[in-house]
Amino acid sequence: QKEVEQNSGPLSVPEGAIASLNCTYSDRGSQSFFWYRQYSGKSPELIMFIYSNGDKEDGRFTAQLNKASQYVSLLIRDSQPSDSATYLCAVRDAGKSTFGDGTTLTVKP
Amino acid sequence: GAGVSQTPSNKVTEKGKYVELRCDPISGHTALYWYRQSLGQGPEFLIYFQGTGAADDSGLPNDRFFAVRPEGSVSTLKIQRTERGDSAVYLCASSLTQGGYTEAFFGQGTRLTVV
Repeated sequence: QKEVEQNSGPLSVPEGAIASLNCTYSDRGSQSFFWYRQYSGKSPELIMFIYSNGDKEDGRFTAQLNKASQYVSLLIRDSQPSDSATYLCAVRDAGKSTFGDGTTLTVKP
Repeated sequence: GAGVSQTPSNKVTEKGKYVELRCDPISGHTALYWYRQSLGQGPEFLIYFQGTGAADDSGLPNDRFFAVRPEGSVSTLKIQRTERGDSAVYLCASSLTQGGYTEAFFGQGTRLTVV
């Protein structure tokens, strides 16, 4: 079992809809959680990070963390075709980040 | 520079050869990380530096891989006796500190192809 699990997708949503991306992790002691977006052929870019249980909102993005369930999610509201990419969940322990294999999101116009 | 710079952007080498991949972090960033990413997978941790020292090299797959950061800025990832399985995109990232709450910025990567 991988330390960080994500559904590979592809996840397809229509433009304007809410996209929901999920991630589970195995290390109960993990403290910090990151969502990256990666366009094909490009390097990952940070979207959001979250440390505390609950929700954290930034524009159209909301990260949700539930440490008891070892679950973190990313919601994208009003999805746009430009949001089509692979979304990577990462869990950091000191300097080392462990990534999931990503969920591919396609937003259809 | 404004971002993390990696050179070369592409490297094709023959099996058994030695390669060096360079990473120039964001100015002032003390922490530097190396990852590699294969197609369809997430980045896989290799090593990270805090200053000049390797704080965690647990991800280096074997003793053919070695990385240095002699002056606490530029880092070089060295791969000896390359194998076809080493083909991947090698990503470098840097952050202000190594703490779990600091953002790491990635370079554009070096695509290594071993033929």
